[in-house]
This record gives sequence, C-alpha cells and structure tokens, in this order.
Amino acid sequence: DQQVKQNSPSLSVQEGRISILNCDYTNSMFDYFLWYKKYPAEGPTFLISISSIKDKNEDGRFTVFLNKSAKHLSLHIVPSQPGDSAVYFCAASSGGSNYKLTFGKGTLLTVNP
Amino acid sequence: NAGVTQTPKFQVLKTGQSMTLQCAQDMNHEYMSWYRQDPGMGLRLIHYSVGAGITDQGEVPNGYNVSRSTTEDFPLRLLSAAPSQTSVYFCASSWDRVNSPLHFGNGTRLTVT
Repeated sequence: DQQVKQNSPSLSVQEGRISILNCDYTNSMFDYFLWYKKYPAEGPTFLISISSIKDKNEDGRFTVFLNKSAKHLSLHIVPSQPGDSAVYFCAASSGGSNYKLTFGKGTLLTVNP
Repeated sequence: NAGVTQTPKFQVLKTGQSMTLQCAQDMNHEYMSWYRQDPGMGLRLIHYSVGAGITDQGEVPNGYNVSRSTTEDFPLRLLSAAPSQTSVYFCASSWDRVNSPLHFGNGTRLTVT
C-alpha cells in the first residue's frame, strides 16, 4: 500500500508560468516532508522541506504548502525555468528519522521554452 | 569535498553471483542509507545505519547485507544475485537525525541476467 502518492506521472508547463506538483500521504505519523529533484543519471538532490508544525515554507522560487487535514502537500515553482525540467519526488518521514524516507513515485516536470 | 561516492556506476551480474556495491562519504555523516529505484516504484529503503557498528533493515532488505565498520563507508552486499534485483541503487547520508536532509550519491545501475 503506497503511503506517499504522486498521482501525476508528468506535467508540462511553459517557461515563466507556475508549476504545481502535488503529493498525498496516508500515514498520519508522517511529520516531516521533503521534495527532491532528480536529473537523469544523477542522484536525487534536496530541494525544500516542511515540518508538520508549519503549513508553508518558501525558498526563492520554490514554495511548499502542507494541508494536514487533507494529508496533502504541493510544490509551487514560480516562475518555471527550462532548467527545472526533472523528476520531482515527494518524500516523508516520521519521528524525526530523516534518514528513513518514504518516497512517492515521482512526477516528470517539463518546462518548455 | 566529494560528498557521497558510489562505485561502480554500472554492473552486470549473472544470477547467483555475489558482489558488493561501495558507498563512501567524506562529510563525517553519522546516518547512511541504501535505496533502490525501480521503474514506476519511486525509491525504496533497503538498509540504513545510524552510526558505525549499527545497522537496521528498511522496507525491502531481503537478499542484501550491510555492515558499517567506519563512519565513512557503508557497503551493500548482494549474496546471490537475482533478476529481481535489477535496479538502480542509491546510497545517501545525513549529519543529523532530524534537521538535515539526505545527500545522495549518483547511483549504481545493476543488471542481473
């Protein structure tokens, strides 16, 4: 049973527009959420995180929103750039064990010039 | 500062062969983990370690052994390779249990025929 779900395998947006990537989770014990970006033939790279005590975290063009009641989080990228084209993984952990992550299947984002 | 280094980058094994995937980090991180990525499955945790001499199982540990004799190294051993172990393997490390995200290596692509 998938505990972290990314229901959109792919997303295509125009350069300069907003990209919104979504993630749902089922395990109510999750208290820390992360987004990773992955280019082909490379390892995942940490992008941004949010603790369950917050509902929003920003870092430059990237903002993560957490809706605990809906068990839903989203990553907003504004403005989107062609270099943002990659696979984005949502991940979650519980009990402060950030070395034990549960990942979603990923969403391939393509930003068209 | 090399970060997390995985060797080899590619490997082909025959069913029944054994091998060790190497992982080394030069950041003095206490926490290290092994994940596998399969098409359409996201990343799944195989084994992890919270320090030298301490290891534990993750979500998919069967067929794999690990040991952690030093802080820097965390090798993953396949005792008798099976086609189901064809995957991309990622090693990761972090310095803090709670506040720091995992840093990933660039992966080892393993094919078992």
